[in-house]
Amino acid sequence: DQQVKQNSPSLSVQEGRISILNCDYTNSMFDYFLWYKKYPAEGPTFLISISSIKDKNEDGRFTVFLNKSAKHLSLHIVPSQPGDSAVYFCAAPLTLNFGKGTSLLVTP
Amino acid sequence: DTGVSQDPRHKITKRGQNVTFRCDPISEHNRLYWYRQTLGQGPEFLTYFQNEAQLEKSRLLSDRFSAERPKGSFSTLEIQRTEQGDSAMYLCASSTGEGDQPQHFGDGTRLSIL
Repeated sequence: DQQVKQNSPSLSVQEGRISILNCDYTNSMFDYFLWYKKYPAEGPTFLISISSIKDKNEDGRFTVFLNKSAKHLSLHIVPSQPGDSAVYFCAAPLTLNFGKGTSLLVTP
Repeated sequence: DTGVSQDPRHKITKRGQNVTFRCDPISEHNRLYWYRQTLGQGPEFLTYFQNEAQLEKSRLLSDRFSAERPKGSFSTLEIQRTEQGDSAMYLCASSTGEGDQPQHFGDGTRLSIL
């Protein structure tokens, strides 16, 4: 059973625009969430996290929003850059239940 | 910070052979995790260690899979009697285990079963 779900397998965005990647979860006991970014032939790299006591966390161009009532989180990238093209995974803690990932393509 | 190191990067073997992968975590990290990733999927958790203690192994895929971390530093993941379905990327990660500190991943070992 997948406790973290990313329902959009891919997303294409123009450079300079906003990228919004979505994630839903089922377990209300999760107390923080993480986003990872993965380039081909590399391991996932930690990007940003959010605690369940917050509804927003921002780090430069990356902002994660958490809606606990909807059990939904989203990652916003503004402005998007071609180097952001990668697969993005959301994950819940400890044993890191990963979503299937969303492949982001940022076109010039 | 030398990062998490995995060896080998690629392994090709015949069905039925045994394979062993090694992971060297970040030196000050107490926790070490193994994941498997197949095409189009996110990493799938297999097992993890707190120092040398294996705290969760119920999600190892079958009794052909085993992992060790004998001195609480590097770890090995062994697959016995490999099957074609074992072809995947095997990822190792480590963390301090404190609070919400993230896991840091190696670049994985890609296993191909002929």
